[in-house]
Amino acid sequence: QQQVKQSPQSLIVQKGGISIINCAYENTAFDYFPWYQQFPGKGPALLIAIRPDVSEKKEGRFTISFNKSAKQFSLHIMDSQPGDSATYFCAASGLRDSNYQLIWGAGTKLIIKP
Amino acid sequence: GAGVSQSPRYKVAKRGQDVALRCDPISGHVSLFWYQQALGQGPEFLTYFQNEAQLDKSGLPSDRFFAERPEGSVSTLKIQRTQQEDSAVYLCASRETAGSEGNQPQHFGDGTRLSIL
Repeated sequence: QQQVKQSPQSLIVQKGGISIINCAYENTAFDYFPWYQQFPGKGPALLIAIRPDVSEKKEGRFTISFNKSAKQFSLHIMDSQPGDSATYFCAASGLRDSNYQLIWGAGTKLIIKP
Repeated sequence: GAGVSQSPRYKVAKRGQDVALRCDPISGHVSLFWYQQALGQGPEFLTYFQNEAQLDKSGLPSDRFFAERPEGSVSTLKIQRTQQEDSAVYLCASRETAGSEGNQPQHFGDGTRLSIL
C-alpha cells in the first residue's frame, strides 16, 4: 500500500535549536521525496527535495537525510527561527500511470519559541 | 501571474447545491493536479490532467465530483449535490512537465476553502 508515515505530529523547539521531522515510506518504487512548508491559509510551498541516489541534501538551514535501506527520510532545520513556525509535510512519488502524484504524510506542526 | 491562482478563496454553500472551483496554473505548465485537504491533514490526490486530457481520476471520492481542463490551461473542479463531508480545502498544483518526462516539482495555489452548511 502506498503510504507515508510522518512523526511527530507536533514539535516545539527553542529559537536557535535543531528541528527534526521524520518520515517513513513503504513503496520502493518512490523516487522523489519533497518536503513542503505550509502556513495557515496558504498552499504548500516546496522547501527541499531529494532523490534516492543521494543520502543527504542541504539547502541553507534545511537538510534532508535519506536512508534508502530503512525507507526513511528526515528534515533537519538548523538554527530554527520563529518564522519557521508552520506545518511541514513530507511526501513521496513515483511513476504511477505517468502522473507522479504526491503521497503525503499527515504533517508536523512546528512551533519555534523565541 | 507568476504562481498558481485559485478562486474563489472561500466558498460557503448549502447542502445539495452545486459548486465550481477554478484553478489558473502557471502559464505553460503541462501537468495539473487537484488535491483535497481536510483540516489538520495532508492533501489527498483527486485527479490529474496532462494538457487537456484527464489521465487519472482515481482519487475523486464519488461521481458527484467532476473536473475539466478543456483548453489545457484553466481547470474547473465541480461538485454536484454537495454534502457536509465535502467541506475541505481544495488545492490545485501545476507542474512544468508531463509525467513521462520524469518527476518534477509541483507548485501549489493557496486553495479554496469550501464549507458546506
